[in-house]
Amino acid sequence: KQEVTQIPAALSVPEGENLVLNCSFTDSAIYNLQWFRQDPGKGLTSLLLIQSSQREQTSGRLNASLDKSSGRSTLYIAASQPGDSATYLCAAPPPYGGSQGNLIFGKGTKLSVKP
Amino acid sequence: NAGVMQNPRHLVRRRGQEARLRCSPMKGHSHVYWYRQLPEEGLKFMVYLQKENIIDESGMPKERFSAEFPKEGPSILRIQQVVRGDSAAYFCASSPTHSNEQFFGPGTRLTVL
Repeated sequence: KQEVTQIPAALSVPEGENLVLNCSFTDSAIYNLQWFRQDPGKGLTSLLLIQSSQREQTSGRLNASLDKSSGRSTLYIAASQPGDSATYLCAAPPPYGGSQGNLIFGKGTKLSVKP
Repeated sequence: NAGVMQNPRHLVRRRGQEARLRCSPMKGHSHVYWYRQLPEEGLKFMVYLQKENIIDESGMPKERFSAEFPKEGPSILRIQQVVRGDSAAYFCASSPTHSNEQFFGPGTRLTVL
């Protein structure tokens, strides 16, 4: 059974700092892993999808890495801005052979970037 | 290309009433997923549908909850005889295939009085 854990649960940093959010998953036989952003009272915005054959994906100031052997993914945010304040969620599908529609989410890291 | 659309955005029901939540997937997407986010909890999968078929309903409560995705029209998540514990945000997502990136709608926030 796939389980996803995110550390830390909350993070507060000053503007401009580079930061890393961590995600771990228990079963590494996955097709991909997805990072999302959720603003208070809003839906989820997909940030990055990393396929199992990739080691990292980049979009602007965001870089996500995937290490299946250790069951870990990290989301790196460069030069953080107050507008980056949100909850960041990591989600992995069940392992191969299971229903691939079922994303399993971590509880998220609530990021606050202070001006 | 419009994103995933959900309506209503907010829904208030009294205990015992029925709640109907609608989801229109992105254009070209035939796979729809429903998730529930309870207050102070993470997102939990409920059901996965592909046009006219339920593929996986392992996360759906056995009673009072049902889902459909007809050939024409939006996907519907139906909750009969709502109870206070059903108060949550319900999110719909869609994807072009089952193993692709999922795109989420803005959610429907259900409040049961």
